[in-house]
Amino acid sequence: LAKTTQPISMDSYEGQEVNITCSHNNIATNDYITWYQQFPSQGPRFIIQGYKTKVTNEVASLFIPADRKSSTLSLPRVSLSDTAVYYCLVGLYNFNKFYFGSGTKLNVKP
Amino acid sequence: EAQVTQNPRYLITVTGKKLTVTCSQNMNHEYMSWYRQDPGLGLRQIYYSMNVEVTDKGDVPEGYKVSRKEKRNFPLILESPSPNQTSLYFCASASYEQYFGPGTRLTVT
Repeated sequence: LAKTTQPISMDSYEGQEVNITCSHNNIATNDYITWYQQFPSQGPRFIIQGYKTKVTNEVASLFIPADRKSSTLSLPRVSLSDTAVYYCLVGLYNFNKFYFGSGTKLNVKP
Repeated sequence: EAQVTQNPRYLITVTGKKLTVTCSQNMNHEYMSWYRQDPGLGLRQIYYSMNVEVTDKGDVPEGYKVSRKEKRNFPLILESPSPNQTSLYFCASASYEQYFGPGTRLTVT
């Protein structure tokens, strides 16, 4: 089971782009990389998922280098409401065990 | 509305008194899972189920039981709760992405 390593916390200011990197050195060939956002006392919410190169949706981009041993979540122009914990998750697309790790607490300041 | 529901949302109980936390989803998902969340430890998977009558252990299964008799329901059973099971519990179901329930805050005294 691939485990992940993320920074414990990050600070940013409103309007800035934020990049959160996750290390997953033992990622398996079939593993996908998924990012979730969690607000206090709420369940995590899906942000984005990818396998390789770059994926973009309406809220974020996910960059995955060729060796797939790391990934970077990019949040464009963050606002105060983006203050949350962000989890990088590695697992099989058809699901089995998942390892969430401790996540990155992002604090967006005005 | 697609959702995962959990009951109860809050529970205070005493050591050794059996309890069940229910989880239900209305999205016809085959995959369901239980997690617990403790300060500084992130989310840890307790049990998961790939389909009806198919369950398997996650990272922290000790002291918990689950059953999956119907696709929509995945109850978490604590046969003899102990104080170290005081935690915030989340149920999730998934097809492509995981959908999480609102959480159940359990306190065992």
